[in-house]
Amino acid sequence: SQTIHQWPATLVQPVGSPLSLECTVEGTSNPNLYWYRQAAGRGLQLLFYSVGIGQISSEVPQNLSASRPQDRQFILSSKKLLLSDSGFYLCAWNGGTYWGEQFFGPGTRLTVL
Amino acid sequence: DAKTTQPNSMESNEEEPVHLPCNHSTISGTDYIHWYRQLPSQGPEYVIHGLTSNVNNRMASLAIAEDRKSSTLILHRATLRDAAVYYCILRDSTDSWGKLQFGAGTQVVVTP
Repeated sequence: SQTIHQWPATLVQPVGSPLSLECTVEGTSNPNLYWYRQAAGRGLQLLFYSVGIGQISSEVPQNLSASRPQDRQFILSSKKLLLSDSGFYLCAWNGGTYWGEQFFGPGTRLTVL
Repeated sequence: DAKTTQPNSMESNEEEPVHLPCNHSTISGTDYIHWYRQLPSQGPEYVIHGLTSNVNNRMASLAIAEDRKSSTLILHRATLRDAAVYYCILRDSTDSWGKLQFGAGTQVVVTP
């Protein structure tokens, strides 16, 4: 069966520090991968998506970047965190179904102080 | 992407049905109607989807208006575990990237 992992689960970082969040998927190959952010009390905002190694598309301009060094690995990064980067970061992959069901990871709760 | 409109919140008593409305007046012929729900401190989970016909699964039922400009997610017997934010999303079937655009959703409160 397929599983999606994210780490760390929680993170507290000072403003101006770098960030690296990792997402990995098991049990599938060539998935579409997605990064979302959810600010406190808000809905999910799609940040990046990837359809293959090295292929990244950005939905909104921001202080973040994404990379996909391996087929089942998706990384979210920042060189210098802002207070506004705080939130709940979720990674997802498409389930391979024709209707495009997405499966979400457990998320990383990031607090920037 | 076409947008959806949902009430901010709804309340229900335990073991009673819950009807969650969603308006999507600008839906196109290639849009599927998807529903996800998000429990506190968790990622969203898929609930159900449909195109034109009403759909049922173990979690819920989806009733789609004949003109497809609105739909209703039905939880037949609400339990405390159904307390979550429910998102109605239009997914363009021609979008090979499979992107989903989440709105604010409806917060469902279930009272014992």
